[in-house]
Amino acid sequence: SYVLTQPPSVSVAPGLTASITCGGNNIGSKSVHWYQQKPGQAPVAVVYDDHKRPSGIPERFSGSNSGNTATLTVSRVEAGDEADYYCQVWDGSTYHYVFGTGTKLTVL
Amino acid sequence: QVQLVESGGGVVRPGRSLRLSCAASGFIFNNYAVHWVRQAPGKGLEWVAVMSSDGHKEYYADSVKGRFTVSRDNSKNTLYLQMNSLRVEDMAVYFCARMPGTYWDSWGQGTLVTVSS
Repeated sequence: SYVLTQPPSVSVAPGLTASITCGGNNIGSKSVHWYQQKPGQAPVAVVYDDHKRPSGIPERFSGSNSGNTATLTVSRVEAGDEADYYCQVWDGSTYHYVFGTGTKLTVL
Repeated sequence: QVQLVESGGGVVRPGRSLRLSCAASGFIFNNYAVHWVRQAPGKGLEWVAVMSSDGHKEYYADSVKGRFTVSRDNSKNTLYLQMNSLRVEDMAVYFCARMPGTYWDSWGQGTLVTVSS
């Protein structure tokens, strides 16, 4: 089965930039989506199709995808960005939807 | 506005069954595939199952295949998840989520399933 690997945690000071990676075999050939989840809440999509932003998501959230790594970048980090972030792809060979292991973003 | 409301969670013993419901409103339900996604306590997200908008196709995660069945009643704008032979490892918050294209754009708040003897 397809595996997506994320760092367990990323820490960043307010106002700086956080980068969260998502590693997978030839992930650049897939569409990657990113979800933000705050404690006790449902996930919310912050980036879809590698780099697109859903309506209402600040421009501070951006994404890229190439080779074996996709990256979610959060610019000018705010305290409210502190959350768990998950990458996700669709594995067409199995018709399974796969989530990454998740990354806890801590704002120092 | 788009709303998804899960129900049916509760405490159940291993080996027993439970049926979850996801009531949809604010959009044309039979135009969308709706999925079940779960999250065990303190763990990450896991996709569980999906039924196509027309109800003709269903797909399952390997961990639940053969035990769980997804269905939908488009006349009632409701998605179901019949869970049989429940295991301790099935204990989780179960979310339903709408997928208009390639990603989930709307989620319910989830319903907790506790499997314990």
